[in-house]
Amino acid sequence: QKEVEQNSGPLSVPEGAIASLNCTYSDRGSQSFFWYRQYSGKSPELIMFIYSNGDKEDGRFTAQLNKASQYVSLLIRDSQPSDSATYLCAVRYSSASKIIFGSGTRLSIRP
Amino acid sequence: DAGITQSPRHKVTETGTPVTLRCHQTENHRYMYWYRQDPGHGLRLIHYSYGVKDTDKGEVSDGYSVSRSKTEDFLLTLESATSSQTSVYFCAISERGNQETQYFGPGTRLLVL
Repeated sequence: QKEVEQNSGPLSVPEGAIASLNCTYSDRGSQSFFWYRQYSGKSPELIMFIYSNGDKEDGRFTAQLNKASQYVSLLIRDSQPSDSATYLCAVRYSSASKIIFGSGTRLSIRP
Repeated sequence: DAGITQSPRHKVTETGTPVTLRCHQTENHRYMYWYRQDPGHGLRLIHYSYGVKDTDKGEVSDGYSVSRSKTEDFLLTLESATSSQTSVYFCAISERGNQETQYFGPGTRLLVL
């Protein structure tokens, strides 16, 4: 059973601080990794994807991938109240033409 | 929502009745997906399509069927709705399977009484 694990939270972070969200996955053959943000009552929207080991930065967001340790993380710098949402990690496994989602981490940015 | 619409957006139905949800895209993407989202379970794949008339099962396909007669439309049918199928249903599309990212529709909230 291929799995994607996330801490459900809530993760509470003060405004302006760095929020760190983590995700682990079970299949070493995984190739693509995605972070989605989902506001309450809305559909998931893509924040970032990463394919290679290391860091990938996009504005205030940085995705980090460590295939040897089978984890992917998302850092949000200068956290804003508008970042309060559920963050979904998703993984595409090498043997499948579909992706597996984690259950999400709820992030709350407190003013 | 990347040119994706879902209908209906909300539906209340009774146990045992058939229900069809529609996903319509204007992006001409080859791949389309149906997910359900429940508290504590995240998004779970029901069925997906990799072309007209080409579909395959996901991890929670029991009790659901799909059809895709045109590139732009992907239908999800609950053959005989049960209370366990109360959920939020999302359609998603992607250009080249999972080489590209998936983009989601607005969702359909289904309540089975």
